[in-house]
Amino acid sequence: LAKTTQPISMDSYEGQEVNITCSHNNIATNDYITWYQQFPSQGPRFIIQGYKTKVTNEVASLFIPADRKSSTLSLPRVSLSDTAVYYCLVGRDDKIIFGKGTRLHILP
Amino acid sequence: EPEVTQTPSHQVTQMGQEVILRCVPISNHLYFYWYRQILGQKVEFLVSFYNNEISEKSEIFDDQFSVERPDGSNFTLKIRSTKLEDSAMYFCASSDSTGTGIWTGELFFGEGSRLTVL
Repeated sequence: LAKTTQPISMDSYEGQEVNITCSHNNIATNDYITWYQQFPSQGPRFIIQGYKTKVTNEVASLFIPADRKSSTLSLPRVSLSDTAVYYCLVGRDDKIIFGKGTRLHILP
Repeated sequence: EPEVTQTPSHQVTQMGQEVILRCVPISNHLYFYWYRQILGQKVEFLVSFYNNEISEKSEIFDDQFSVERPDGSNFTLKIRSTKLEDSAMYFCASSDSTGTGIWTGELFFGEGSRLTVL
């Protein structure tokens, strides 16, 4: 199973763009990269998923370089409500493992 | 929007007692999961369930734990003899993954069941 490495925490200000990078050096050929968001006392919530290049939805963008050994979640113009833990996940559908995630703190 | 529902939202039990946590996955989903999260720590994988059998389990999921799909809608996690260290939030999740090994779908989580063992 591919292991992921993310910064433990990040701070940013309201209105800024935030980029969180995840390293997954031993990603397998069939593995997709998925990002989740978790607020305190709630279940994780899907943000975005991709295989290569760039994916964008109404919430975020996901950038994946050609070697797929890393990925970057980009949150445009964050607000206070984006304060949460963000998880990068890589792997098969039978054993989806969460790492420690990145605790993002948005300041006013 | 379809959702995963879990009951109870909070359960307090005495050490050594049996606990059953219940989940209703999204109706057309085939893959089901249980995770737990001790306060302030990361989300830990316990078990995945597909085609009426356990697909994968972690080292946490020992003989004290079992899962069952007793009917077409419920998915349960049983802890036979609870310990203090079982106190955690337990999350059920489901996905529309079809068991090919490739995870391309979204994992939908319930709101969790908080278990407190005294």
